[in-house]
Amino acid sequence: EAGVTQSPTHLIKTRGQQATLRCSPISGHTSVYWYQQALGLGLQFLLWYDEGEERNRGNFPPRFSGRQFPNYSSELNVNALELEDSALYLCASSRTDYTGELFFGEGSRLTVL
Amino acid sequence: DAKTTQPPSMDCAEGRAANLPCNHSTISGNEYVYWYRQIHSQGPQYIIHGLKNNETNEMASLIITEDRKSSTLILPHATLRDTAVYYCIVLRRSASKIIFGSGTRLSIRP
Repeated sequence: EAGVTQSPTHLIKTRGQQATLRCSPISGHTSVYWYQQALGLGLQFLLWYDEGEERNRGNFPPRFSGRQFPNYSSELNVNALELEDSALYLCASSRTDYTGELFFGEGSRLTVL
Repeated sequence: DAKTTQPPSMDCAEGRAANLPCNHSTISGNEYVYWYRQIHSQGPQYIIHGLKNNETNEMASLIITEDRKSSTLILPHATLRDTAVYYCIVLRRSASKIIFGSGTRLSIRP
């Protein structure tokens, strides 16, 4: 069974640009979560999508947005990139009724120059 | 969701049991104890969870005290590959978000 897959693995952008990160959940999982992990820091909750709807959002500005598609894959968009957006962005998936059991991808490392 | 308290770091000799404690004194009746670990620069990995009974799987054992105010994750025969940050999280089964604290950095020494 394939795990959670994320793309791209690495992404380099400059300040002010937009970044799009993608995530495919485990088959059968309808919930997708996004986390940000800056270098040396902890995981910060960004967004939770379930059944195509945004269910919860962390303390991030509106320039962090995303969506979930009918096949439950998801993308995270970060607009007007700032240097401090450089981080590992992790996607996780779960079944709707077992949201404590997250399965994470390997992440997308975004570098903003 | 209830808060948890974990020691910032621990070490353990290879081959010995690693016992990682977690305090969650404000846990409520419908909250589970979950454990994850994150090996350097990888996505966190779910390890185990429990409500009130002790649990065991191929990775670890989870011991929850009778009053449920604390728990211990046990890695029975620690290896160098178990070096990671271990997170103890308390939440309802269908929680709306999972907050990872700072966890315990476990170092396994040869």
